Amino acid sequence: GESVGLHLPTLSVQEGDNSIINCAYSNSASDYFIWYKQESGKGPQFIIDIRSNMDKRQGQRVTVLLNKTVKHLSLQIAATQPGDSAVYFCAEKANTNAGKSTFGDGTTLTVKP
Amino acid sequence: NAGVMQNPRHLVRRRGQEARLRCSPMKGHSHVYWYRQLPEEGLKFMVYLQKENIIDESGMPKERFSAEFPKEGPSILRIQQVVRGDSAAYFCASSLTGVADTQYFGPGTRLTVL
Repeated sequence: GESVGLHLPTLSVQEGDNSIINCAYSNSASDYFIWYKQESGKGPQFIIDIRSNMDKRQGQRVTVLLNKTVKHLSLQIAATQPGDSAVYFCAEKANTNAGKSTFGDGTTLTVKP
Repeated sequence: NAGVMQNPRHLVRRRGQEARLRCSPMKGHSHVYWYRQLPEEGLKFMVYLQKENIIDESGMPKERFSAEFPKEGPSILRIQQVVRGDSAAYFCASSLTGVADTQYFGPGTRLTVL
């Protein structure tokens, strides 16, 4: 079956450093990938997405990299701030499963002042 | 422009009672999704609905769970005869279109079954 997994359940970084959160997926048909941020007691918040015809996409302080060869996705956060502390989820969708997103289990990012 | 609304935010039920969770999608969105999240875990897809239609219910338990999205009003996730294992956070998301489109999430309903 499909699965999406994150390499590390927790990540601790110093304020101002860059953070890299990794994700692996198994479904070769996945063609749309999303990163979400979830703060305690809240719903997931969209951060950035990327489609399978791209290998890199940049937003404000965030970059998503997609390597379809090894089915790997990463989220890079530049100059990490205390407000970035949260659980980060990668999710994937495939046109063959229109609508359904498959989520990984999440990486908890802690930013130390 | 209000986001996805869910109510109630917290719901406590005793075993055997019914739970009704409501979701109002973002304005203009006609695609709704329900996910369940257990503590320390990711979100698990339950059901995908469009107005008056269930598109994909592959993640819904076969018994006690049902969902609807009527022509008028919010989407409802209904859990009959709740058990302790139903305790979880239930999130609703909506999107403008269904295929490869960003889903925007509501704040969730935290269900506790005593």
